[in-house]
Amino acid sequence: DIQMTQSPSSLSASVGDRVTITCRASQTIRTYLSWYQWKPGKAPKLLIFAASSLQSGVPSRFSGSGSGTDFTLTISNLQPEDFATYFCQHIYTTPHTFGQGTKLEIK
Amino acid sequence: QVQLVQSGAEVKKPGASVKVSCKTSGYTFTSYGINWVRQAPGQGPEWMGWISGYNGNTKYAQKFQGRVTMTTDTSTSTADMDLRSLTSDDTAIYYCARGGVYESSGYPFDYWGRGTLVTVSS
Repeated sequence: DIQMTQSPSSLSASVGDRVTITCRASQTIRTYLSWYQWKPGKAPKLLIFAASSLQSGVPSRFSGSGSGTDFTLTISNLQPEDFATYFCQHIYTTPHTFGQGTKLEIK
Repeated sequence: QVQLVQSGAEVKKPGASVKVSCKTSGYTFTSYGINWVRQAPGQGPEWMGWISGYNGNTKYAQKFQGRVTMTTDTSTSTADMDLRSLTSDDTAIYYCARGGVYESSGYPFDYWGRGTLVTVSS
């Protein structure tokens, strides 16, 4: 199975900041990488697919990059609604494993 | 709009089975698949398997082989997930998520249900 290692596990930031979350795959996954936002009690939300494509309706302050084994999610100009937990996931092969998550908290 | 509405919370005893339903609307059910993902307390999400809305083909994570069955009903655009021989380790929130119609489509999980809490306790 392909392992996904996400870092950091938690992050404190302020409204207006720019933050970056990284995700590393244990072997190449080309660009079969998605990023999700999770909030308690709500449906998870797809933010980025194919490593760098912005899902329809997602604000442009979210961006993704990378290919092969190393990927990043960047959130610019943090807004109050962005404080949540973020997960990466590969869909290169099955099982489609997830990272362990990054909890983004207000500083 | 695309919606995936899941069945309500369940409490089960060890050794029992649970069925979680995912009723979809707002899109052509047979043009996509449904993935099942669970998240246990304090852990990252875990992919359980996939079923095609087109032909009912399935792919299960090896961890759940022999213990899970995923089915669809195209007449009601509903997907079900049955998990048997429950233990306390199966206590988790279970999600359905729309995905590709073929196993290797590389289609992301673009719409999700809000989750169903399954608690396994004696």
